[in-house]
Amino acid sequence: AQSVTQLDSQVPVFEEAPVELRCNYSSSVSVYLFWYVQYPNQGLQLLLKYLSGSTLVKGINGFEAEFNKSQTSFHLRKPSVHISDTAEYFCAFIMNTGFQKLVFGTGTRLLVSP
Amino acid sequence: KAGVTQTPRYLIKTRGQQVTLSCSPISGHRSVSWYQQTPGQGLQFLFEYFSETQRNKGNFPGRFSGRQFSNSRSEMNVSTLELGDSALYLCASSRQGGDGYTFGSGTRLTVV
Repeated sequence: AQSVTQLDSQVPVFEEAPVELRCNYSSSVSVYLFWYVQYPNQGLQLLLKYLSGSTLVKGINGFEAEFNKSQTSFHLRKPSVHISDTAEYFCAFIMNTGFQKLVFGTGTRLLVSP
Repeated sequence: KAGVTQTPRYLIKTRGQQVTLSCSPISGHRSVSWYQQTPGQGLQFLFEYFSETQRNKGNFPGRFSGRQFSNSRSEMNVSTLELGDSALYLCASSRQGGDGYTFGSGTRLTVV
C-alpha cells in the first residue's frame, strides 16, 4: 500500500536549535516527494520538493531535506529554528505513474519555544 | 502573481442541505485537485481535474462531486450534507500535476 509515515506527532524545540522532522514512505513505484507547512487557519504552503537529481533539496525559510532511496526517507531539517516556524508540517508524495494524488502523512507539529 | 483563491472561507450548513465550493487556480495551471482535511482522517484526496476532465478520484461517496470549467476554475459540490462532512476543504492547482501543487487557504465547512 502507498503510505507516508511521520513518526513524530509533535516535536518541541528551543529557538535557534536545530531540528529534524522525519518522514518515511512506502510505494511500489517511484515517487516525487514534498514537504508542506500549514499555519493555523491556513492552507498548505510548499516548503520544498524532490522530483529528480540531487538528493539534497533546499527550500524556503532555510529548510532542506534529503532523499534517501534505500531507506525510503525524506527527512526535513533546519539548522536554527525561529518562533515563527511553529506550525504543522506534512510530508507527501505523488506517484510518477500519472495518478495525480498527493498521499500525505499525518503531520508533525513543530513547537518552538523561547 | 495571484495564488489559488477559494470561496467562501467559512460556511455553515444544516444536515441534508447541499453546498458548492469554488476554486480559482493560478493563471496557467490546468490541474486542480480537492482535498478534505479533518482531525480524525487527516488530508484525504477527493478528485483531480485537468482540462475539464476528471482524471482521478478518491474514495468518497457519490455525494461528493466536482467539475472544472474552460477557464480552469473548479467547483466542488456536496449533496445531502452529513455532520461528518464538517472539514476544511482545500483546493490545489498545478501546471501538470506531478511537479507539485499550490494550495488555497481552504473553505471551512461546518455542518450543524
